[in-house]
Amino acid sequence: QQQVKQSPQSLIVQKGGISIINCAYENTAFDYFPWYQQFPGKGPALLIAIRPDVSEKKEGRFTISFNKSAKQFSLHIMDSQPGDSATYFCAASTSNTDKLIFGTGTRLQVFP
Amino acid sequence: DAGVIQSPRHEVTEMGQEVTLRCKPISGHNSLFWYRQTMMRGLELLIYFNNNVPIDDSGMPEDRFSAKMPNASFSTLKIQPSEPRDSAVYFCASSLRSSGNTIYFGEGSWLTVV
Repeated sequence: QQQVKQSPQSLIVQKGGISIINCAYENTAFDYFPWYQQFPGKGPALLIAIRPDVSEKKEGRFTISFNKSAKQFSLHIMDSQPGDSATYFCAASTSNTDKLIFGTGTRLQVFP
Repeated sequence: DAGVIQSPRHEVTEMGQEVTLRCKPISGHNSLFWYRQTMMRGLELLIYFNNNVPIDDSGMPEDRFSAKMPNASFSTLKIQPSEPRDSAVYFCASSLRSSGNTIYFGEGSWLTVV
């Protein structure tokens, strides 16, 4: 019940296309859902996060869509750029703990 | 402001040797985390501290692993004795409990046990 399931494992997108990464969870106590971006040789860095009181959050080309009833959330990257090529992790936690549970990661490659 | 600082960045050691990884969290942060990243298992939380006290060590693989946080600005993760299956990237991360769960990662310590 503590798991966060992420798909796909890898994704190849043409420059200018839309990248979509999906995550699902079981624990209904989760109330914080961040996405982290990791470049090779670096630690993960927070990209965007959402709480379940909203169904969507947008920051620039990055959007999180959240479906509370389905217990799913997704990251959409609009107008994908080669510089977006990285590994993306979804995560979840509850507000009474700092403990983030990460998905297994999606390696995104954006080709020119 | 400096981020989370980890050392060493890279370590190659022989099986059976003791390995000590070090971490300096962001100044003012009161939570510290040790994660392990491998291709097979992804990012696993090993242990986390709040106000220097271990809160959850359920992810620590076995007794060969131990972690300490003697003060707010320093933590260690020790593996003794090390085994080849411990080869991974070990990340330290920190957060300020009141900031909405955002955690900040260091650049990792790349451990290879041969």
